[in-house]
Amino acid sequence: GNSVTQMEGPVTLSEEAFLTINCTYTATGYPSLFWYVQYPGEGLQLLLKATKADDKGSNKGFEATYRKETTSFHLEKGSVQVSDSAVYFCALREGGGADGLTFGKGTHLIIQP
Amino acid sequence: GAVVSQHPSRVICKSGTSVKIECRSLDFQATTMFWYRQFPKQSLMLMATSNEGSKATYEQGVEKDKFLINHASLTLSTLTVTSAHPEDSSFYICSARDQVIETYSYNEQFFGPGTRLTVL
Repeated sequence: GNSVTQMEGPVTLSEEAFLTINCTYTATGYPSLFWYVQYPGEGLQLLLKATKADDKGSNKGFEATYRKETTSFHLEKGSVQVSDSAVYFCALREGGGADGLTFGKGTHLIIQP
Repeated sequence: GAVVSQHPSRVICKSGTSVKIECRSLDFQATTMFWYRQFPKQSLMLMATSNEGSKATYEQGVEKDKFLINHASLTLSTLTVTSAHPEDSSFYICSARDQVIETYSYNEQFFGPGTRLTVL
């Protein structure tokens, strides 16, 4: 079956530090890959996505590249802010929009001023 | 933007009672909604896919008679936990598929804030 593995948290960084949150996946086909973010008290929000190999998703300064050869979709940001503190979920979807998502466990990111 | 609400946000009930959780898409129509369950420090697990006007599709290992899903309109899906027991205590999250709004998230899922169920 499908699975997503992401680094355990919490991850604590200082403001303006470089961020990497690792995510690897296992899938039988060619999935679409996603990063979702959950701010305190709110629902999950789509942060970025990539639908095929070598695609780069980007949004709000975050980036992730779909690496088929390493089955990875690591999340990066060059300079984090306190407002980036949240829980980040890596996810995949095997089929089209009618299918549900397979999620990683989530990584709690804490940015200190 | 597309907003999904859930009601209630938290509920505490006695063992043996049934609990209904509502999921609404507030400003868009969703023919497909999804129900997930999240245990502490665990990932979200897909329970079922809810399709408007038809029966829900349940994931392997999810009891359909235990978790009743009704998607009676394009903006509302309900999950009823029947004869709840303490092991059903969890965080239940719904999402609605955006099939109308042509934005970056077109055809992706918008999530509700979740419902915390505690069964005593």
